[in-house]
Amino acid sequence: EADIYQTPRYLVIGTGKKITLECSQTMGHDKMYWYQQDPGMELHLIHYSYGVNSTEKGDLSSESTVSRIRTEHFPLTLESARPSHTSQYLCASSGVGAGSYNEQFFGPGTRLTVL
Amino acid sequence: GQNIDQPTEMTATEGAIVQINCTYQTSGFNGLFWYQQHAGEAPTFLSYNVLDGLEEKGRFSSFLSRSKGYSYLLLKELQMKDSASYLCAVGDNAGNNRKLIWGLGTSLAVNP
Repeated sequence: EADIYQTPRYLVIGTGKKITLECSQTMGHDKMYWYQQDPGMELHLIHYSYGVNSTEKGDLSSESTVSRIRTEHFPLTLESARPSHTSQYLCASSGVGAGSYNEQFFGPGTRLTVL
Repeated sequence: GQNIDQPTEMTATEGAIVQINCTYQTSGFNGLFWYQQHAGEAPTFLSYNVLDGLEEKGRFSSFLSRSKGYSYLLLKELQMKDSASYLCAVGDNAGNNRKLIWGLGTSLAVNP
């Protein structure tokens, strides 16, 4: 059972608001990821981190920012939300462990709607 | 360039067997993953292949041929709950599968 959590699960906000999507994992994984996925569409990597104080932009350009101050925590922030940010945001983590293939474990996702 | 191809959609009947193919072209290779994703949910890990051959896990099996850049996921004794999207992903060559290159997914519909 993967122990990776995301809050909120659903969020509806107005244009221009600042929001932070939370992601935490209790598996001690060093690597964490943020993906954006529209319904029925592919996964797009928007940010990733290989450890504390390490963050990189992913393959899809995003106006969001991330931080990795603690191993277990990888929040994503949108300074000014727009309707084009409406999507599902999935957080994932991976790391070496017993029986691990370094597979990525996903959180339940945050479904964001910007009006 | 890096590319992963898999069929967009497949349909099968309950109780049957279905094979979902995946071909890849990547600058490096450090293992191939299969994930299952039900509509509106997050992907869940199914299997991992790094060496050539077949890995069996219950009703699901995954095959890899590195020389052909080819993998397949075999689902036996299909159940309605197997209706989902199946994602093929390849680990990059940076070590420890740091990043995955994801396919677009194959949407499987299992009919009664």
